[in-house]
Amino acid sequence: QVQLVESGGDVVQPGRSLRLSCAASGFTFGTYGIHWVRQAPGKGLEWVAVIWPDGSNKYYTDSVKGRFTISRDNSKNTVFLQMNSLRVEDTAVYYCARFCGGDCSPFDYWGQGTLVTVSS
Amino acid sequence: DIQMTQSPSTLSASVGDRVTITCRASQSVGSWLAWYRQKPGLAPNLLIYKASNLEGGVPSRFSGSGSGTEFTLTVSSLQPDDFATYYCLQYNGFPYTFGQGTKLEIK
Repeated sequence: QVQLVESGGDVVQPGRSLRLSCAASGFTFGTYGIHWVRQAPGKGLEWVAVIWPDGSNKYYTDSVKGRFTISRDNSKNTVFLQMNSLRVEDTAVYYCARFCGGDCSPFDYWGQGTLVTVSS
Repeated sequence: DIQMTQSPSTLSASVGDRVTITCRASQSVGSWLAWYRQKPGLAPNLLIYKASNLEGGVPSRFSGSGSGTEFTLTVSSLQPDDFATYYCLQYNGFPYTFGQGTKLEIK
């Protein structure tokens, strides 16, 4: 069965770094783009970043550009989100989700989420 | 960036009611619009994609319509499981953007 499992969430101070992982199984990983979506406590959903199936393209929301980097290791079926210069407003549950693009169902499978808390 | 505006923000209804949620885009997104249901503490669940396509396994009481800038999600007969928060998502171009959410409450 399709599974996406996030890990790496933690409590960190502002300005510090954190790396999240999204481990996938149960599908042909190299044919799917992987997205990160976050949700601040009590707030709505915010799209964060995407990486193409082959890693050739990456896009970010403006608020994380220059601070976050998305990458993937297709040999390990894993996507990473390197988060640098963390801010209090980055506090959220971070989900990864898959999408093969075009007429495919967007975000048909999600992980369970990992909580990132940025606080002094 | 494309702004997505959902209405209403909160909706009170009873089991068996028919309800409609609207999502408006600040510019055309074609049919690249999806709807999700999220229950507290859980990841969102895809209901509708490409504006009107029902995702596999989703009950037929859910339906979507619209194109361009105005879209609707209709639940024909509310079930207890449907009291949750609903989000639209435009995936016409990056950055993808979600609506702010509609909380469906029990009246």
